[in-house]
Amino acid sequence: DQQVKQNSPSLSVQEGRISILNCDYTNSMFDYFLWYKKYPAEGPTFLISISSIKDKNEDGRFTVFLNKSAKHLSLHIVPSQPGDSAVYFCAARSGGATNKLIFGTGTLLAVQP
Amino acid sequence: DGGITQSPKYLFRKEGQNVTLSCEQNLNHDAMYWYRQDPGQGLRLIYYSQIVNDFQKGDIAEGYSVSREKKESFPLTVTSAQKNPTAFYLCASTERGYSPLHFGNGTRLTVT
Repeated sequence: DQQVKQNSPSLSVQEGRISILNCDYTNSMFDYFLWYKKYPAEGPTFLISISSIKDKNEDGRFTVFLNKSAKHLSLHIVPSQPGDSAVYFCAARSGGATNKLIFGTGTLLAVQP
Repeated sequence: DGGITQSPKYLFRKEGQNVTLSCEQNLNHDAMYWYRQDPGQGLRLIYYSQIVNDFQKGDIAEGYSVSREKKESFPLTVTSAQKNPTAFYLCASTERGYSPLHFGNGTRLTVT
């Protein structure tokens, strides 16, 4: 049973436009959410996170929105750049002290010049 | 530079052989993790360790074993009991508490 879902396997946007990547989750006990970016044959790198007590967190061009009632989070990238082309994973932490993360299946973002 | 080193980057083994993947970190992190990535399935947790000499099974631990004898090292052994060992393996570490995982660059294991 997939507790964290990224229903769009891929997304293509024009350079300079907004990229919106979506993620849905089923477990209301998740207390912390993260987005990671991954290039081929490399490990994921941390991008941005949000606690379940907030509904928005912004870092430069990246903003994460959390809608707890809908169990939905999204990552906005504005403006999108060709270097943003990568696979983006959302992840959720199941609470407690173990810091275990449950990952979605990823969305491949292609930013066209 | 601080970071996580996974070696080798590519590994080939024959079916029926055990193989050990190396993971070393110099970040002084307490907790370490092993994830597996398969196409279309995201990252799945194999094992994790929050402190030296202690580790717990993740969601897909069958066919794998680990040890944590030193804080900086967390090797993963893929045994012959693992039915589908061919995958991309990622090691990660973190400080305790609310902090993101830092990942290594992975080892791609191919078993034929």
